[in-house]
Amino acid sequence: SQTIHQWPATLVQPVGSPLSLECTVEGTSNPNLYWYRQAAGRGLQLLFYSVGIGQISSEVPQNLSASRPQDRQFILSSKKLLLSDSGFYLCAWNYQQNTEAFFGQGTRLTVV
Amino acid sequence: GENVEQHPSTLSVQEGDSAVIKCTYSDSASNYFPWYKQELGKGPQLIIDIRSNVGEKKDQRIAVTLNKTAKHFSLHITETQPEDSAVYFCAATVNTNAGKSTFGDGTTLTVKP
Repeated sequence: SQTIHQWPATLVQPVGSPLSLECTVEGTSNPNLYWYRQAAGRGLQLLFYSVGIGQISSEVPQNLSASRPQDRQFILSSKKLLLSDSGFYLCAWNYQQNTEAFFGQGTRLTVV
Repeated sequence: GENVEQHPSTLSVQEGDSAVIKCTYSDSASNYFPWYKQELGKGPQLIIDIRSNVGEKKDQRIAVTLNKTAKHFSLHITETQPEDSAVYFCAATVNTNAGKSTFGDGTTLTVKP
């Protein structure tokens, strides 16, 4: 069966520090991969998606970047965090066709 | 691009009552409409979905209806239970967009015992 792992679960980082959140998927090949951010009490904002290794599409201009070094690995990064980067970050995957998305458990990032 | 609006933002019902959440979308090319439930501190999970060739789908206490002409779809939960309390998201997906969905802003459902 397929599983998605996302870590860490919580993270407190000072302003100006770097960020690296990792997501891996098991049990499937060539998935679409996504990074979402969810502000408190708000909906899901798509940040990045990837349809293959090294292929990254950015949905909104921001302080973050994403990379996909392996088929089932998706990394969200920042060189210098801002206070506004605080939020709940969710990784997700689905098949190439039009199907449901499977979400990780999320990372609660607080920038102080 | 696709725009999805979801109403209401909060909904409080008594246990045993029904709950209805409504969404509208803008892109007529959308053809897949999932609903997700998110419990506190967790990632969303699919509870039901519907495709554009179907007008209604039911799974036990949960049903979804789709009106493609009016571009709206709704989630119906009957005989609500306290464990139904969560945030619910609707989404609309255009098949050509790498399968990525546009989400509504969510509805916080509270079921009072």
